[in-house]
Amino acid sequence: DAGITQSPRHKVTETGTPVTLRCHQTENHRYMYWYRQDPGHGLRLIHYSYGVKDTDKGEVSDGYSVSRSKTEDFLLTLESATSSQTSVYFCAISDLGQGEQPQHFGDGTRLSIL
Amino acid sequence: AQTVTQSQPEMSVQEAETVTLSCTYDTSENNYYLFWYKQPPSRQMILVIRQEAYKQQNATENRFSVNFQKAAKSFSLKISDSQLGDTAMYFCAFIGGGSNYKLTFGKGTLLTVNP
Repeated sequence: DAGITQSPRHKVTETGTPVTLRCHQTENHRYMYWYRQDPGHGLRLIHYSYGVKDTDKGEVSDGYSVSRSKTEDFLLTLESATSSQTSVYFCAISDLGQGEQPQHFGDGTRLSIL
Repeated sequence: AQTVTQSQPEMSVQEAETVTLSCTYDTSENNYYLFWYKQPPSRQMILVIRQEAYKQQNATENRFSVNFQKAAKSFSLKISDSQLGDTAMYFCAFIGGGSNYKLTFGKGTLLTVNP
């Protein structure tokens, strides 16, 4: 299995509070991704990174920011959480940006915002 | 923009039988990759099979195979000899071969294998 660790695995917080999710990899892969999974929507890309300090937006990036200061860590931050951001969040990694190498996923973080 | 459509929200099959899950996609690109991912109740996302658009031969992985019809933009997954452990949500996904690094998912098909 790809070495991907997401933390925390579960979190409950209140509207308006800041939240940071962490994705840590031990594979030294260049590309890292954050997705959210909601019923009826499948997985949707929030942000991705193609190198240290190189990030770009996905299709549902509003209300989220990311940072990547080291190859192994990709952080997702909700500056002021809203109930619409209640979701399951997945991190993924790949060594090549296109489909030559599939993305491998972490185990997900269930985030509930009350 | 690419889109991926899975028209079957739910399906069921008897153990040991064969089932086919449908997926269609829309793209203007000529080179791309297609995937099927499995998500069991444990919530893990597990890669099942991968197809490269420039390869005409359909991909197979043990009991899993695909029927890739490039002109029709169709990518169905066939599961043979279904097992109880195949019960899961199945997602079809697409990634373009250009500078687009973004994996686009369908909404998923919930497959239940009945004993």
